[in-house]
Amino acid sequence: QQQVKQSPQSLIVQKGGISIINCAYENTAFDYFPWYQQFPGKGPALLIAIRPDVSEKKEGRFTISFNKSAKQFSLHIMDSQPGDSATYFCAASRDTNAGKSTFGDGTTLTVKP
Amino acid sequence: DGGITQSPKYLFRKEGQNVTLSCEQNLNHDAMYWYRQDPGQGLRLIYYSQIVNDFQKGDIAEGYSVSREKKESFPLTVTSAQKNPTAFYLCASSWGRQNTGELFFGEGSRLTVL
Repeated sequence: QQQVKQSPQSLIVQKGGISIINCAYENTAFDYFPWYQQFPGKGPALLIAIRPDVSEKKEGRFTISFNKSAKQFSLHIMDSQPGDSATYFCAASRDTNAGKSTFGDGTTLTVKP
Repeated sequence: DGGITQSPKYLFRKEGQNVTLSCEQNLNHDAMYWYRQDPGQGLRLIYYSQIVNDFQKGDIAEGYSVSREKKESFPLTVTSAQKNPTAFYLCASSWGRQNTGELFFGEGSRLTVL
């Protein structure tokens, strides 16, 4: 049973556009929702994360929107750049076992110049 | 620089052979993890350890073994019992029970079974 569903699987955006990736979770005990960015041949790195006590978190061009009632959260990349081309994973975990995260299947983002 | 070092980066194995992937961290993290990544799939947890000399099975532990004799080291052995071992393996660490939830990943080891 997949506990975190991510969409779309792939995304192509023009430079300067907005990239939007969505995730839905099932376990209401999850209380930490990070997004990881992975470049080819590298390990993932934390991009931005949110806890359910806020509905939005922004860091530079990256924003997480969180809807607790719908059990959904999304990543918005404003002014997308070719350097943003990577695979993005959403994840969810319980703080009591935070490292045992459940990951979405990933979204491959391509930003065209 | 602090971080996680995985070796080797690429590894080829013949069927029936065991191989061991190395993972070392100098972040002073208590918890360490092994994930498997297959194309088009998310990361799946193989084993994790929250303290030295203790480790727990993750979602796909069959055919794998680990040890945690030192805080900074968490090697993964892919045994011949693993039916489909070709994959990208990622080691990660975090602060442990009081952690923020952030995982720090190594650069991965790509295992190919010939």
